[in-house]
Amino acid sequence: DAGVTQSPTHLIKTRGQQVTLRCSPKSGHDTVSWYQQALGQGPQFIFQYYEEEERQRGNFPDRFSGHQFPNYSSELNVNALLLGDSALYLCASSTPGRTNSPLHFGNGTRLTVT
Amino acid sequence: EDQVTQSPEALRLQEGESSSLNCSYTVSGLRGLFWYRQDPGKGPEFLFTLYSAGEEKEKERLKATLTKKESFLHITAPKPEDSATYLCAASRGETSGSRLTFGEGTQLTVNP
Repeated sequence: DAGVTQSPTHLIKTRGQQVTLRCSPKSGHDTVSWYQQALGQGPQFIFQYYEEEERQRGNFPDRFSGHQFPNYSSELNVNALLLGDSALYLCASSTPGRTNSPLHFGNGTRLTVT
Repeated sequence: EDQVTQSPEALRLQEGESSSLNCSYTVSGLRGLFWYRQDPGKGPEFLFTLYSAGEEKEKERLKATLTKKESFLHITAPKPEDSATYLCAASRGETSGSRLTFGEGTQLTVNP
């Protein structure tokens, strides 16, 4: 049973560029959340997608946007990259219809902005 | 604003030396307190969910407890393979996959 998969694993971009990160949720999961984890910090919530709509959003600027597809996979897009966007981007999925079911995380995409 | 604070930031133990990690939270209407383990270069791995004060859960050498203001992760007779960063997170949502507020983690090193 495949867990949460993310691609690519590593990415290097230049300031001002745009980036797209991809996530496939664990089999049977329909809700996808994205988190940003700076080095030495805990993950910070970016947003959550369910039924192809953004349902919750954290304190991130509009440069961060996302999408969920009918097969529940998801993309995270970041425009006009800043040096401070360098971080590990984590995707997490969860079981439908269960209150506070734990999030299952992928191994993340390491984004470096130079 | 929800806040989760973990202490200590880093902890070094000898193999077999038991200890506890602390997670203090300020969350209105807490619905769940989660513990995760994170190895270098990997995503967080789920360990426990606690829902109400007084609740305890155990898994191998780990035991998590919850009070109204904090949670503890007790590590009994740790082994080198327990070395990792332990993350605590709180949720006040009722829906599946509700947003988590994470602490900054405790980096645990267990020396043989």
